Amino acid sequence: AQSVAQPEDQVNVAEGNPLTVKCTYSVSGNPYLFWYVQYPNRGLQFLLKYITGDNLVKGSYGFEAEFNKSQTSFHLKKPSALVSDSALYFCAVSQQAGTALIFGKGTTLSVSS
Amino acid sequence: GAVVSQHPSWVICKSGTSVKIECRSLDFQATTMFWYRQFPKQSLMLMATSNEGSKATYEQGVEKDKFLINHASLTLSTLTVTSAHPEDSSFYICSARDWTSGTDEQYFGPGTRLTVT
Repeated sequence: AQSVAQPEDQVNVAEGNPLTVKCTYSVSGNPYLFWYVQYPNRGLQFLLKYITGDNLVKGSYGFEAEFNKSQTSFHLKKPSALVSDSALYFCAVSQQAGTALIFGKGTTLSVSS
Repeated sequence: GAVVSQHPSWVICKSGTSVKIECRSLDFQATTMFWYRQFPKQSLMLMATSNEGSKATYEQGVEKDKFLINHASLTLSTLTVTSAHPEDSSFYICSARDWTSGTDEQYFGPGTRLTVT
């Protein structure tokens, strides 16, 4: 069965510092991996995805994520955090394109000024 | 980019009544749409997969007679919560699969906040 783990409920960083939000996954076969961001009472906004190719994926708003097959991880990163990055972040996985996503529990990112 | 809308964005209803939530793909055709629900401060849980012209596939533990899904056209899927109870209060989010453009991307709607009193 597919699953996604986000081990941290909350990540706190100071503005201007680098941030990392962790995600590990379990799926049979090649995974399709996604990161979404959710602001309060809003839907999901797509940040980036990995399907195949370069392990380092660049996405929206300066975010990037690195696919590590041996560690089954897909951590979200940003070199310099902004206060406006404060939100709830979800990692998700699917076994093939276009199928329903399995979401992690989410990680709240708090960026202080 | 592709846009998915949901209507209404929020609704308050009394216990025992039914509520219909619409999910529309505005600029692409979606043969498949997904319905998720999200409880406060929790993750999204897949409820069902909606396929145009056929019956929806429900996830284990989701009552199909309570959560009626109709996908009557390539741009519209509806979720009807029948005989709603306070425990049905949640944030319902749909997503639509765009396979016709060749991208096979999945786009999420903005969500519908349901409160049952």
